[in-house]
Amino acid sequence: GQNIDQPTEMTATEGAIVQINCTYQTSGFNGLFWYQQHAGEAPTFLSYNVLDGLEEKGRFSSFLSRSKGYSYLLLKELQMKDSASYLCAVTHGGATNKLIFGTGTLLAVQP
Amino acid sequence: GAGVSQTPSNKVTEKGKYVELRCDPISGHTALYWYRQSLGQGPEFLIYFQGTGAADDSGLPNDRFFAVRPEGSVSTLKIQRTERGDSAVYLCASSFGSGETQYFGPGTRLLVL
Repeated sequence: GQNIDQPTEMTATEGAIVQINCTYQTSGFNGLFWYQQHAGEAPTFLSYNVLDGLEEKGRFSSFLSRSKGYSYLLLKELQMKDSASYLCAVTHGGATNKLIFGTGTLLAVQP
Repeated sequence: GAGVSQTPSNKVTEKGKYVELRCDPISGHTALYWYRQSLGQGPEFLIYFQGTGAADDSGLPNDRFFAVRPEGSVSTLKIQRTERGDSAVYLCASSFGSGETQYFGPGTRLLVL
């Protein structure tokens, strides 16, 4: 079966650092994506991990441990505009590479 | 360059009616995906096209749902005899190839009354 878990909601303060965790159990794995989704808008691509380790891209970093079925998204120097839902998604593999999404973590950044 | 576009942005229909949702992928992207997102949930996979063929339609909930991509570019998702439970945001995504990063369109918000 497929199962992706992430916290439903998180709150953080402007300028701070926040870590959003994601654990997964899937029958196939070809990589893990993080997407950002503002209310009423399309998901936008943030990061992709296929190998173990940390990928850094500006204020955002993403980590993957395939052996533990675990990833996190790290957001530094939080800004009010970072208030959004953050979606963890695993590519199922095979010929399709469809994305299996978690329910998303709604992050509220407070002043 | 232009991203994925979807029309209409909003669609209100009555139970039992037929609807068509259109997706225009990024130029040159051969892979096209349809997802459905309910409020407070992540997107759920519906169907995947590689070129003109539906390579994986395992996510379609039942035979009221059908999708086509006749020329390998624009795709249309068709829903017959709509039900209130079909109300959701229908998202389209495209990628350069299978396994590449998927880029999403703004979605069509379908409301079935």
